[in-house]
Amino acid sequence: QKEVEQNSGPLSVPEGAIASLNCTYSDRGSQSFFWYRQYSGKSPELIMSIYSNGDKEDGRFTAQLNKASQYVSLLIRDSQPSDSATYLCAVNLATSGTYKYIFGTGTRLKVLA
Amino acid sequence: DGGITQSPKYLFRKEGQNVTLSCEQNLNHDAMYWYRQDPGQGLRLIYYSQIVNDFQKGDIAEGYSVSREKKESFPLTVTSAQKNPTAFYLCATSDTVGNTIYFGEGSWLTVV
Repeated sequence: QKEVEQNSGPLSVPEGAIASLNCTYSDRGSQSFFWYRQYSGKSPELIMSIYSNGDKEDGRFTAQLNKASQYVSLLIRDSQPSDSATYLCAVNLATSGTYKYIFGTGTRLKVLA
Repeated sequence: DGGITQSPKYLFRKEGQNVTLSCEQNLNHDAMYWYRQDPGQGLRLIYYSQIVNDFQKGDIAEGYSVSREKKESFPLTVTSAQKNPTAFYLCATSDTVGNTIYFGEGSWLTVV
């Protein structure tokens, strides 16, 4: 089982719709969770971080964390063609005093105009 | 201009040659990282450094070397021992290990 799993997609949504991206993780010791957006040929850029159960909103983006079910999701409201990118989920795991960032392979989102 | 600067952006290397990728940051972050990204794959950690003069191997350190002589700089050398070096290389920093990671713009390395 992969440590961080994402559906590779592509996930296609029409412009103006809500895009829902999901990520599951295997280690219950995971402490912090991140969503990055990566445009083709570019480096990842941080969208949001979330540390506690529940929802966290930032503009059109909402991150949702459920530690009991070991999943974290990202909702993008009013999706725009410029949101078309690959979205990476990352989990920060603390083990024996060290930290380890684990990335999923990403979900490709296509917003159709 | 603040941030993380990687150079060169594009680099071509002949087989058997060593190359060094530069990473400089002016964020005053203690931790620095090198990741490799291949098409369709996630980010894989090569090396990381928590403080000056200290660094640890990541998941795919074979064929790579690093140094951390200054807080601002964490260069990565891709040696001839690296079998498949063609990839997108990303340098990243965080204020301390365990906190949010921020990425530089990346360096594309192609072996010809």
